[in-house]
Amino acid sequence: NAGVTQTPKFQVLKTGQSMTLQCAQDMNHEYMSWYRQDPGMGLRLIHYSVGAGITDQGEVPNGYNVSRSTTEDFPLRLLSAAPSQTSVYFCASSRTGMGVEKLFFGSGTQLSVL
Amino acid sequence: KQEVTQIPAALSVPEGENLVLNCSFTDSAIYNLQWFRQDPGKGLTSLLLIQSSQREQTSGRLNASLDKSSGRSTLYIAASQPGDSATYLCAVKSSGGGADGLTFGKGTHLIIQP
Repeated sequence: NAGVTQTPKFQVLKTGQSMTLQCAQDMNHEYMSWYRQDPGMGLRLIHYSVGAGITDQGEVPNGYNVSRSTTEDFPLRLLSAAPSQTSVYFCASSRTGMGVEKLFFGSGTQLSVL
Repeated sequence: KQEVTQIPAALSVPEGENLVLNCSFTDSAIYNLQWFRQDPGKGLTSLLLIQSSQREQTSGRLNASLDKSSGRSTLYIAASQPGDSATYLCAVKSSGGGADGLTFGKGTHLIIQP
């Protein structure tokens, strides 16, 4: 089973560029979310979705957009990259929402913004 | 607001020792607590999920306990092996958590010396 697949694994952007981080899961999970992980800060929630067509903001949503047109896919868009968005990004999913069941994580995208 | 603390931040022990990792949380009104393992450059893997009504969960050489009243959980690793080397994080689901109710600790970096 593929589980949660994230692409790309590494990305370097220049300030002001835009890009989309891809996330797909093949477990038919309703709940999907995006986190960023920074040294000394722990994991912080960016956006989440409790089902296709439904998204909501997390703790640090500014500068990011999401959409959920299918159950499987939950892309994260950086609108105009800034150095403060240099981080490791993780996509996660679970069968039902809001941390009630085990979370499954992708392997992460390491993003550097110059 | 829920806060999760993991002590120690780093731990190094010889192979074969039994060890305990600690996780404490400030708001005891939790729904569940989840222990994760993170290998370098990889995503998080859920190890054990303890519901608020449970006292402990076991999986192989791992045993996680939960004491809601004191705001503590421990992850016990028996007969440690070099392959157990990783960062271990705990996450608490509570009404005082983030937008998805989850609050993550910053992790304990564990090194098992061969």
